Amino acid sequence: DQQVKQNSPSLSVQEGRISILNCDYTNSMFDYFLWYKKYPAEGPTFLISISSIKDKNEDGRFTVFLNKSAKHLSLHIVPSQPGDSAVYFCAARTMNDYKLSFGAGTTVTVRA
Amino acid sequence: KAGVTQTPRYLIKTRGQQVTLSCSPISGHRSVSWYQQTPGQGLQFLFEYFSETQRNKGNFPGRFSGRQFSNSRSEMNVSTLELGDSALYLCASSLGDMNTEAFFGQGTRLTVV
Repeated sequence: DQQVKQNSPSLSVQEGRISILNCDYTNSMFDYFLWYKKYPAEGPTFLISISSIKDKNEDGRFTVFLNKSAKHLSLHIVPSQPGDSAVYFCAARTMNDYKLSFGAGTTVTVRA
Repeated sequence: KAGVTQTPRYLIKTRGQQVTLSCSPISGHRSVSWYQQTPGQGLQFLFEYFSETQRNKGNFPGRFSGRQFSNSRSEMNVSTLELGDSALYLCASSLGDMNTEAFFGQGTRLTVV
């Protein structure tokens, strides 16, 4: 049962433009959300997180938006750079659970 | 500050054998989680240890087991290997409190032939 869904398997964006990655979840008990970036043959690298008490969190070029009523979050990368080309995973956790539930990932390709 | 270290990086085993993977967390981190990544299933949670105790377990058969030592290092064991166990096994460490980020190692690529 996939509780975290990333419905777009891939995204292609031009360098300098905005990348928007989307994530939907079904478990209303999720209260902490994270985004990870992964290069081939490496482990996921933590990017940014957001608690359910917030609707936005920003860190440099990365901003995560949370819409609890829609059970939807998104990651904005502005401006996109060639080094951003990777697989991005959305993950979520409930208050009483230490395991992360991951989406299937979105492969981002930044074109020069 | 050293990151999460997983050994070995690559491993080839034969069906029916058993394997032990190791994970050294970031210094000061007391929680270690294990995940399996396969092309078809994505990242699936195996189990999580905190202060030598298993706190959480995913939906994997009993052939998958783990433990954590007093220095927070963790091992994962898979017995009676099957072809379907071929995957990237990732270890993540965190402080273990709620709303803290988990940091991943580079993983161990296990191939079962």
